[in-house]
Amino acid sequence: DAKTTQPNSMESNEEEPVHLPCNHSTISGTDYIHWYRQLPSQGPEYVIHGLTSNVNNRMASLAIAEDRKSSTLILHRATLRDAAVYYCILSPRYSSASKIIFGSGTRLSIRP
Amino acid sequence: GAVVSQHPSRVICKSGTSVKIECRSLDFQATTMFWYRQFPKQSLMLMATSNEGSKATYEQGVEKDKFLINHASLTLSTLTVTSAHPEDSSFYICSARWTIGNNEQFFGPGTRLTVL
Repeated sequence: DAKTTQPNSMESNEEEPVHLPCNHSTISGTDYIHWYRQLPSQGPEYVIHGLTSNVNNRMASLAIAEDRKSSTLILHRATLRDAAVYYCILSPRYSSASKIIFGSGTRLSIRP
Repeated sequence: GAVVSQHPSRVICKSGTSVKIECRSLDFQATTMFWYRQFPKQSLMLMATSNEGSKATYEQGVEKDKFLINHASLTLSTLTVTSAHPEDSSFYICSARWTIGNNEQFFGPGTRLTVL
C-alpha cells in the first residue's frame, strides 16, 4: 500500500480556515485520496475523497496537486467541533479487494 | 450515509473471560467487514478482514485463536476476544463494505473493552 505523510499535529483558531497537508509521493494511478477524521472516543468518519480534480462537499474541500503527489484538506471555517485526528489514506476505490490502512494522522486542535 | 452499529459500546470484564463484540450494518448488506484495534493516542490497526460465509483473513501478528471472528450473515460480524487479559484492553472498531453499492466502507462507533 502506498504510504502517506502528515504532520503529527496542527493548531488553528476558531472560525479561521485550516489547511491540512498530506504527501503521497508513491501514489499509483488507481489510488483515490481519502480523508477520514476521528473525534475523541468515536469511530472514523468519512470526510471527502478525490482522484485528480479538486473536490468540494459540505464538510470540506480537497485540493490535489497536479502530479498527485500531495493533497490538502481545507476546512473553510473551523469550529471547535472540528478538533479531531485527520487521516489521509490512499486506496483503490470501488475495489472489492481494497482495505483501509490508517497512518498516524494529524491531530488538529482548535483554539477558541 | 449507511449506518454501522456496534454492541456493546463499552464492556468491562475480568481477566480470563471471553467477550463478544457485534458489528451490524443496519441499512445495507456487507459481504466484507473489517475489525480494527486502537490503543490510546495511537492510530487504528487493522486486525482482520471478515468475509461472509468464509474464514476471516488476519493481519500479520494478530492471533486468530485469540480473536475469533464470525461473519454469519450479510449484516452481522462478531469478534470474540477469548481469555481476555489486561493487555487486550483497547478500543475495537469495525467497518463494513457496501458490496452491492460502490464498495464504500462505513465505520462503527467503536467498543471500549477494559479487562481487569
